[in-house]
Amino acid sequence: EAGVAQSPRYKIIEKRQSVAFWCNPISGHATLYWYQQILGQGPKLLIQFQNNGVVDDSQLPKDRFSAERLKGVDSTLKIQPAKLEDSAVYLCASTGVPSGANVLTFGAGSRLTVL
Amino acid sequence: AQSVSQHNHHVILSEAASLELGCNYSYGGTVNLFWYVQYPGQHLQLLLKYFSGDPLVKGIKGFEAEFIKSKFSFNLRKPSVQWSDTAEYFCAVIPRGAGGYQKVTFGTGTKLQVIP
Repeated sequence: EAGVAQSPRYKIIEKRQSVAFWCNPISGHATLYWYQQILGQGPKLLIQFQNNGVVDDSQLPKDRFSAERLKGVDSTLKIQPAKLEDSAVYLCASTGVPSGANVLTFGAGSRLTVL
Repeated sequence: AQSVSQHNHHVILSEAASLELGCNYSYGGTVNLFWYVQYPGQHLQLLLKYFSGDPLVKGIKGFEAEFIKSKFSFNLRKPSVQWSDTAEYFCAVIPRGAGGYQKVTFGTGTKLQVIP
């Protein structure tokens, strides 16, 4: 099966600029996650979708981050305006079971550098 | 809320040495446990998982992990490491709830460097 697709792989922007990341999960996977991984830390969940509904966005900085999954398939994560501390790898993952004992399949990630 | 601790941040071993990476979690109920691995330049992928049954689980590439409920631990082991095991290893936990949403929590990771 095809994996989780993410783009772009790398992005360099200046602070206060905006950026958007795209994710296409594995076909048929209803649950989609966006994680932020700062260098030296483990992945931190930003937002979880179940189909096109938000299940958890408690750690999403909503003043600058937004995400959508309009048709319950692919998803976009946006940052506007970016701050220096947003420099990280943004990981998208998906799974085919709504909750409980799920194995996450990750994409390659989008590495953001904010100057 | 659950938490995961990985106390070894960076481990350096020679080839053929034995490996044990620690993982402890904090949660009062039943959990499912995972080890994920990220090889250089590659994405995170599942190494092994524990849901129930035999607390000693075997994963890919000769790795195994033992769930010790009384110690809230899920340590990763390999009897003899290879240079190709150089990677970052993440422990993760998800509460096994009675339906509904449960969040996956990751540890901070352990970087393993194997010297030929």
